[in-house]
Amino acid sequence: DTAVSQTPKYLVTQMGNDKSIKCEQNLGHDTMYWYKQDSKKFLKIMFSYNNKELIINETVPNRFSPKSPDKAHLNLHINSLELGDSAVYFCASSQGASDTQYFGPGTRLTVL
Amino acid sequence: AQSVSQHNHHVILSEAASLELGCNYSYGGTVNLFWYVQYPGQHLQLLLKYFSGDPLVKGIKGFEAEFIKSKFSFNLRKPSVQWSDTAEYFCAVGNTGGFKTIFGAGTRLFVKA
Repeated sequence: DTAVSQTPKYLVTQMGNDKSIKCEQNLGHDTMYWYKQDSKKFLKIMFSYNNKELIINETVPNRFSPKSPDKAHLNLHINSLELGDSAVYFCASSQGASDTQYFGPGTRLTVL
Repeated sequence: AQSVSQHNHHVILSEAASLELGCNYSYGGTVNLFWYVQYPGQHLQLLLKYFSGDPLVKGIKGFEAEFIKSKFSFNLRKPSVQWSDTAEYFCAVGNTGGFKTIFGAGTRLFVKA
């Protein structure tokens, strides 16, 4: 059973397009996150949700909009994609925001 | 400002060599400390964590880390590395009961067979 799953695994798209990445966790956790990992492997938090409420928004452009329909899902929608959005996006979850985070397999986004 | 600093960005070792990766943090209050590992092409997974108690914690695959409160450090160690330890290692720090965990920039370890 996959604990944290993301779809799609790879996403290749043109500049200006809109795309979504889905994340689901079956661990019963109350907190979910989106991270962006750039080509140098630097991991930067984008958003954190606790019980479907947005807790952290780390100065991410408005083009990025997370949505948490329930505690088990945190989706990421990106409008008007730019070249600089190319990265690997990781979803994660934890029970309580300061506990161990469980990461999904990542979505490699390439914007052409 | 809250920050996590990993001193070594790239480390190259031969098999059986000893490893120590440095991690220092700047964070107010009581902290939870983590080391995560990312093997090539894979997602991050927990190596070990410290919340309270014995400051020397043991994790998976023979890794251990020591929390030194006075030095704001949480260094990762392994007495004898293997080729399969080749990976990216991330130190992370969060406030106990808080909502934010900050990751260091990562250290890329390459172990020569």
